[in-house]
Amino acid sequence: GQNIDQPTEMTATEGAIVQINCTYQTSGFNGLFWYQQHAGEAPTFLSYNVLDGLEEKGRFSSFLSRSKGYSYLLLKELQMKDSASYLCVSMDSNYQLIWGAGTKLIIKP
Amino acid sequence: GAVVSQHPSWVICKSGTSVKIECRSLDFQATTMFWYRQFPKQSLMLMATSNEGSKATYEQGVEKDKFLINHASLTLSTLTVTSAHPEDSSFYICSAQGPRENSPLHFGNGTRLTVT
Repeated sequence: GQNIDQPTEMTATEGAIVQINCTYQTSGFNGLFWYQQHAGEAPTFLSYNVLDGLEEKGRFSSFLSRSKGYSYLLLKELQMKDSASYLCVSMDSNYQLIWGAGTKLIIKP
Repeated sequence: GAVVSQHPSWVICKSGTSVKIECRSLDFQATTMFWYRQFPKQSLMLMATSNEGSKATYEQGVEKDKFLINHASLTLSTLTVTSAHPEDSSFYICSAQGPRENSPLHFGNGTRLTVT
């Protein structure tokens, strides 16, 4: 079956770096998305990877390894406002989206 | 950047009445729109997927006669909660995808529905 695995919760310190891992199993693959969702708000788009490698966008970077079915979201210079849930979403060969349950990131001062 | 407008942001209605929520893609054509529900401290739950001009595809356990979805154009989808009950109180979120099949989803700001 199709599946996404990501940690339920992570804690990090303000100013530090954190890596949120995601493994996926899908029928075919058309890319992987990361979204950020603050409590009580709708998700916002962070990144899309379809080719292997690292995509950097400011403090946030996303990595993909298609052969390993693996992605990570790297957040640098953490700020308190980065406390949120981070959703890993894979797209299969039929362009159907498979959602992870999200990783709740807690930033401590 | 891509913008999705969802209206209203919040609504309070009486039990038994119907509520309509609109989702518009403002600067792109949304070939597919998605409707979600989210209860406090829980993950997004996909309710249905709609493509312009065709009937929505509902997820298992979602009553299609209760949650009416209309995707009349490439920029507008509506969700109508019919005969609302207090247990329908939730945060409803739409997302729009387009113009390509692998375009990212862009989310509306959500609608907080309270049924009294």
